[in-house]
Amino acid sequence: GNSVTQMEGPVTLSEEAFLTINCTYTATGYPSLFWYVQYPGEGLQLLLKATKADDKGSNKGFEATYRKETTSFHLEKGSVQVSDSAVYFCARHTGGFKTIFGAGTRLFVKA
Amino acid sequence: NAGVTQTPKFQVLKTGQSMTLQCAQDMNHNSMYWYRQDPGMGLRLIYYSASEGTTDKGEVPNGYNVSRLNKREFSLRLESAAPSQTSVYFCASSDGGHSYEQYFGPGTRLTVT
Repeated sequence: GNSVTQMEGPVTLSEEAFLTINCTYTATGYPSLFWYVQYPGEGLQLLLKATKADDKGSNKGFEATYRKETTSFHLEKGSVQVSDSAVYFCARHTGGFKTIFGAGTRLFVKA
Repeated sequence: NAGVTQTPKFQVLKTGQSMTLQCAQDMNHNSMYWYRQDPGMGLRLIYYSASEGTTDKGEVPNGYNVSRLNKREFSLRLESAAPSQTSVYFCASSDGGHSYEQYFGPGTRLTVT
């Protein structure tokens, strides 16, 4: 089937800590994968993407690698900041015009 | 570029009332979408329009109707609001070609009492 599963939150970290948010997907073939971020009171915005196996998407210090062997696309950042506090959504393209989103993981970063 | 705009930002309705949520994009995108966001549920697709003149049901279409008025505008109508439709509604667009990322509006927070 088509699904995206990401780790439940909230995740609470201190500033400068290492971040990992796990994401796995089910799919046939190799769909495009995305991480979106939602800041308080705003809509989602694209954080990074990867369109084929072994691609690494990166943006604003965040990275995620498309791993077809483990059907995963985990989000990482080496040193988080208070301004990274937000909800993060993993997503995959389904083919056609649709995208499936995970349930979202809320991140709190403490100063 | 304003991107994707939505009106209104907030709305309170009584059960049985109707309303239309408006969405417009200025990026010349072909595809537009309506989602609802509920706690712990992520985003669920209500309806989408792959291109001007077409609309299709998503995952949760019951109780909603849509109109793709032109390439820029895609509205969502609740004919008879129910408390279960209390949610945050997001409109999004994408160019529908090889780039599948979506661009979201700021959302409409709807409460049905």
